[in-house]
Amino acid sequence: EVQLVESGGGLVQPGGSLRLSCVASGFTVSSNYMSWVRQAPGKGLEWVSVIYSGGTTYYADSVKGRFTISRDNSKNTLYLQMNSLRAEDTAVYYCAREVRAYTSGWYLDYWGQGTLVTVSS
Amino acid sequence: QSVLTQPPSASGTPGQRVTISCSGSSSNIGSNTVNWYQQLPGTAPKLLIFNNDQRPSGVPDRFSGSKSGTSASLAISGLQSEDEADYSCAAWDDSLNGPVFGGGTKLTVL
Repeated sequence: EVQLVESGGGLVQPGGSLRLSCVASGFTVSSNYMSWVRQAPGKGLEWVSVIYSGGTTYYADSVKGRFTISRDNSKNTLYLQMNSLRAEDTAVYYCAREVRAYTSGWYLDYWGQGTLVTVSS
Repeated sequence: QSVLTQPPSASGTPGQRVTISCSGSSSNIGSNTVNWYQQLPGTAPKLLIFNNDQRPSGVPDRFSGSKSGTSASLAISGLQSEDEADYSCAAWDDSLNGPVFGGGTKLTVL
């Protein structure tokens, strides 16, 4: 059974840092595209970052230069290092497995339960 | 402001058929497939529809998706109380070179 479990969220002051973790089971993180998606309170979903199976990474403009996505293959775990946090980064952060196929396009097929990050003084 | 536009709310009575719209542009819906996600209160999003009209295993056939031009729709027939949730559309955007989402539609079963 595929499962994703995030952790690491919490309250942090503006300018602070936080590292989110996402432990996967039922599949191999390094063989898949893995994304982080966030949802601010009362708002819609927003894509944050992706790491390809080959290791290439991409970021939304809103977090570029401040967030870093990575993975630990030995732990089958995905990470999101968040630095220089701002109030507008306050959101529930979800990790998700991404599918891209010529015949079926792009979609996120499995999601974690999410972890709340609150940036406030 | 979300790139894809959805109505903020929708409602229906049990047994009714409701539709939720999702409007985009030529760089996203117009040239890529559309996905729909269901988010029950307090839970994570769940894939409901992918590739415009395909249902993952386990999703009831009461849920159906369609796409035409730069717009897409999610239809729910035989509405049930457990369908009360937030529904979001998503698609890849060629201009932004990343995925974009709608703002979500809160469905209320009256």
